Amino acid sequence: DAGVIQSPRHEVTEMGQEVTLRCKPISGHDYLFWYRQTMMRGLELLIYFNNNVPIDDSGMPEDRFSAKMPNASFSTLKIQPSEPRDSAVYFCASSLIGASGNTIYFGEGSWLTVV
Amino acid sequence: GDSVTQMEGPVTLSEEACLTINCTYTATGYPSLFWYVQYPGEGLQLLLKATKADDKGSNKGFEATYRKETTSFHLEKGSVQVSDSAVYFCALSASSNTGKLIFGQGTTLQVKP
Repeated sequence: DAGVIQSPRHEVTEMGQEVTLRCKPISGHDYLFWYRQTMMRGLELLIYFNNNVPIDDSGMPEDRFSAKMPNASFSTLKIQPSEPRDSAVYFCASSLIGASGNTIYFGEGSWLTVV
Repeated sequence: GDSVTQMEGPVTLSEEACLTINCTYTATGYPSLFWYVQYPGEGLQLLLKATKADDKGSNKGFEATYRKETTSFHLEKGSVQVSDSAVYFCALSASSNTGKLIFGQGTTLQVKP
């Protein structure tokens, strides 16, 4: 089975530009998560969805960040405008509630550098 | 609220040494417990899990036992290899069963030849 697929794997962009990160969760999973990882703050949950509906976005740092899930097989995380402090690895993950003790499966991450 | 606390790293060991990474948790109800591993430049991978008290999760020579009386889920390996060098995250499923996992801060393991 294909795992969680993220794109792009690496992105370098200039401050002020819009960045869009994409995610395809594992087919059949009903939860989707966006995490951010930095050296300073570790692994942070930004937002998560259940059946395409945002459940908790309290981790989204600012209004510059937005996430959507238009259907069960696709989600985006957008940063507009981007700033150097947004440089991080962004992980998408998915799970199926009740299955395997709620195991979450991670993508390989999108490595973002804002210069 | 629910939380996970891991021992701080980095942990530096010689090859074939014994490993223990401590993990304790605070949670209501009966959460499931997990260890994830992150190798350099990669995403997090599930290493092992336990879904109820006294369960032992194991994988790749690693073990962890769900101890409800001490609210712990310590990760152990009898003989580490250089290839085990990675960051290890302890996590629990939120007791409200929202599907969300709560992660510890991660412990970096460095194994030297």
